[in-house]
Amino acid sequence: GESVGLHLPTLSVQEGDNSIINCAYSNSASDYFIWYKQESGKGPQFIIDIRSNMDKRQGQRVTVLLNKTVKHLSLQIAATQPGDSAVYFCAETGGSYIPTFGRGTSLIVHP
Amino acid sequence: EPEVTQTPSHQVTQMGQEVILRCVPISNHLYFYWYRQILGQKVEFLVSFYNNEISEKSEIFDDQFSVERPDGSNFTLKIRSTKLEDSAMYFCATTAQRDYTQYFGPGTRLTVL
Repeated sequence: GESVGLHLPTLSVQEGDNSIINCAYSNSASDYFIWYKQESGKGPQFIIDIRSNMDKRQGQRVTVLLNKTVKHLSLQIAATQPGDSAVYFCAETGGSYIPTFGRGTSLIVHP
Repeated sequence: EPEVTQTPSHQVTQMGQEVILRCVPISNHLYFYWYRQILGQKVEFLVSFYNNEISEKSEIFDDQFSVERPDGSNFTLKIRSTKLEDSAMYFCATTAQRDYTQYFGPGTRLTVL
């Protein structure tokens, strides 16, 4: 069936490095994608989104890239900080306002 | 900044017992959602609620589950007869409009023994 998944379950980086978290999706009808950050003991927190008519969107220190040809989504975090340590989920929707979440990637930032 | 709150933070119950999980949405929000996350797994949609009725529900949301907004502020999820496999984090989320930016609460950890 259709699914949203992540390539790597854990990513370890040094403070100050750039981080890239990847996500693959298989539902070609998906038209909206969201990245969430989940810190320990908290609920998912919206980070950034992108619609299918775009291939790049930038926020504060974060950039989301969308490659519809290969159905791939990535989250880039610039100058990663210890406070960025969390689990990051990609989610996709295909017309419904209900996001389908991927499994999550744990980002560990070493000082 | 307004936040979604949930109580209790942790609920331990015996199998077969009823539990009620509570959520206080952000005050001007009209759309409400429940999700669950089994340890180490994906966040899964359970149900959405608007104008005092269910808008959408997933296959997980069977007859053992119900939702209501009893007093105009709290939004509750009831599990009538808990099973071991109901053990999970339950997240409430709310939005002002039917859009994609949902604000999540901190979750209730439900442990069924």
